[in-house]
Amino acid sequence: AQSVAQPEDQVNVAEGNPLTVKCTYSVSGNPYLFWYVQYPNRGLQFLLKYITGDNLVKGSYGFEAEFNKSQTSFHLKKPSALVSDSALYFCAVRDIGDDKIIFGKGTRLHILP
Amino acid sequence: EAQVTQNPRYLITVTGKKLTVTCSQNMNHEYMSWYRQDPGLGLRQIYYSMNVEVTDKGDVPEGYKVSRKEKRNFPLILESPSPNQTSLYFCASSLSDPPGDEQFFGPGTRLTVL
Repeated sequence: AQSVAQPEDQVNVAEGNPLTVKCTYSVSGNPYLFWYVQYPNRGLQFLLKYITGDNLVKGSYGFEAEFNKSQTSFHLKKPSALVSDSALYFCAVRDIGDDKIIFGKGTRLHILP
Repeated sequence: EAQVTQNPRYLITVTGKKLTVTCSQNMNHEYMSWYRQDPGLGLRQIYYSMNVEVTDKGDVPEGYKVSRKEKRNFPLILESPSPNQTSLYFCASSLSDPPGDEQFFGPGTRLTVL
């Protein structure tokens, strides 16, 4: 069965510093991987995805993520954090050949001014 | 404007009183899904639908029903709500082909069952 783990409930980063939000996954086949962001009192918004090809994926708002097959990870990164990046971030996985989508429990990102 | 709409946005009800949360999308998406969001548990998939008249259980389907009679609509039905169904519910849609497409989420429905 497929699963997703976000090992950190909360990440604090000073504004201007690089940020990383971690995600590891487990699937039986090849994965489709996604990152979503949720701002307060809003639905989730798509940030980026990995389907195939280049392991470094670039997305919205300056975010990027690196697919690492050997470590089964898909960490979200940004070179320089903004206070407006403060939100709840979800990693999600879908196994090729399976219609279910599994979300992680979410990581709350606090960017400190 | 491309969007997923849900109604109602807020609902307080009592145990056992049947309710329906509507979901509609205007993007001609084939895949639609319902999730519940609970603190510490993240998003959990309740039901999903690959197309009209095709629905499947997600991870937490107990106590819920869905139907997909039209492509644009995917209502969530709680026939006998219980307090443990108090949660924040999201509807989402995406193109199913290719299956790696991202989902578009509705604004959420906050349900309280007393």
